[in-house]
Amino acid sequence: AQSVTQPDIHITVSEGASLELRCNYSYGATPYLFWYVQSPGQGLQLLLKYFSGDTLVQGIKGFEAEFKRSQSSFNLRKPSVHWSDAAEYFCAVGGAGNKLTFGGGTRVLVKP
Amino acid sequence: GAVVSQHPSRVICKSGTSVKIECRSLDFQATTMFWYRQFPKQSLMLMATSNEGSKATYEQGVEKDKFLINHASLTLSTLTVTSAHPEDSSFYICSAQGANEQFFGPGTRLTVL
Repeated sequence: AQSVTQPDIHITVSEGASLELRCNYSYGATPYLFWYVQSPGQGLQLLLKYFSGDTLVQGIKGFEAEFKRSQSSFNLRKPSVHWSDAAEYFCAVGGAGNKLTFGGGTRVLVKP
Repeated sequence: GAVVSQHPSRVICKSGTSVKIECRSLDFQATTMFWYRQFPKQSLMLMATSNEGSKATYEQGVEKDKFLINHASLTLSTLTVTSAHPEDSSFYICSAQGANEQFFGPGTRLTVL
């Protein structure tokens, strides 16, 4: 069975500092991997996805993620955080039938 | 990007009543939609997969007689919580499958008194 682990429940970062959110997955085949952001009152928004090819994936809002098969990881990064990046972030793995399995989420707080 | 709406955004009902939540894909057709449940400060748990014109498939542990799903058209899926109880209070989120990704609705907050 597929699973996703996000080890950090909360992360606090200063505005302008870099951010890295960790994601580890378990999946039997080549995974389809996603990062979503959830802001209050809004639906989940896709930041980026990895299906195949280049293991460094660029997404929206200045985010990027790197797929490392050897570490079963798909960590999300942003070089310089803005106050508007405060939100809940979810990593997900796609399986058969396009079903998504989500990690527990990481809440990001941005200090001024 | 594609837009998915949900209605209502919030609903409060009495214990024992039924509540229907609608999920619409506004600018594309979706043969497959998904229903998730999210408890406070927790992740999304897939409840069921809704396929247009056929019966929904439910995840293990989800009561299909309590959570009725209908996907009568390529743009509309409904989730009916029957005989709701306080433990059904939650945030329900739908998504519609696009070409390479799911597009999510804004969610429906259900409170059962």
